[in-house]
Amino acid sequence: AQSVTQLDSQVPVFEEAPVELRCNYSSSVSVYLFWYVQYPNQGLQLLLKYLSGSTLVESINGFEAEFNKSQTSFHLRKPSVHISDTAEYFCAVSFPDSGYSTLTFGKGTMLLVSP
Amino acid sequence: DGGITQSPKYLFRKEGQNVTLSCEQNLNHDAMYWYRQDPGQGLRLIYYSQIVNDFQKGDIAEGYSVSREKKESFPLTVTSAQKNPTAFYLCASSMDLGPSYEQYFGPGTRLTVT
Repeated sequence: AQSVTQLDSQVPVFEEAPVELRCNYSSSVSVYLFWYVQYPNQGLQLLLKYLSGSTLVESINGFEAEFNKSQTSFHLRKPSVHISDTAEYFCAVSFPDSGYSTLTFGKGTMLLVSP
Repeated sequence: DGGITQSPKYLFRKEGQNVTLSCEQNLNHDAMYWYRQDPGQGLRLIYYSQIVNDFQKGDIAEGYSVSREKKESFPLTVTSAQKNPTAFYLCASSMDLGPSYEQYFGPGTRLTVT
């Protein structure tokens, strides 16, 4: 069955420290990968996506994610976090079983940045 | 400003009542979606629609119904058959179906049923 796994429900870090939020998916064929961010009581915003090409993708606010096909992973990283990065982060995958028409979301990882 | 409007932000209902959640977009998008979000569960797809007068069930459609009479509107009805309706409901839209088209999300409606 298609699934998206975010093993860490919460990741606490100090400001200016590096962070990695993990995402794994189950599929042996091509998929499309996304990271979304949700600030409290708001909708989701697209952070970055991998459709094809370079396996390293970047966002405008310093996050990056690397697609690793052999490990079926798409981990999100930032070398130095800010207080304002505190939010919930969702990994999402477009699988072939849905005709790539819909997204399957992970359960989310709450990033808690403290001073 | 272009965007997605969901109203109201908070909604309270008694058990056994049907309730309709509003979703309007002025982005001229063809595709629209409804998700349910529960703490620690991520987002789960309820229904989606690619064009007017057509919609498809998502992963958890039981107890819900939708309509798509206008391109800009995609209301969701939570029926009394939905066993656990209390949740945060998010509407989204995209230019079309498919991974090349970014989904834009509304601010959500928090429904509480007692």
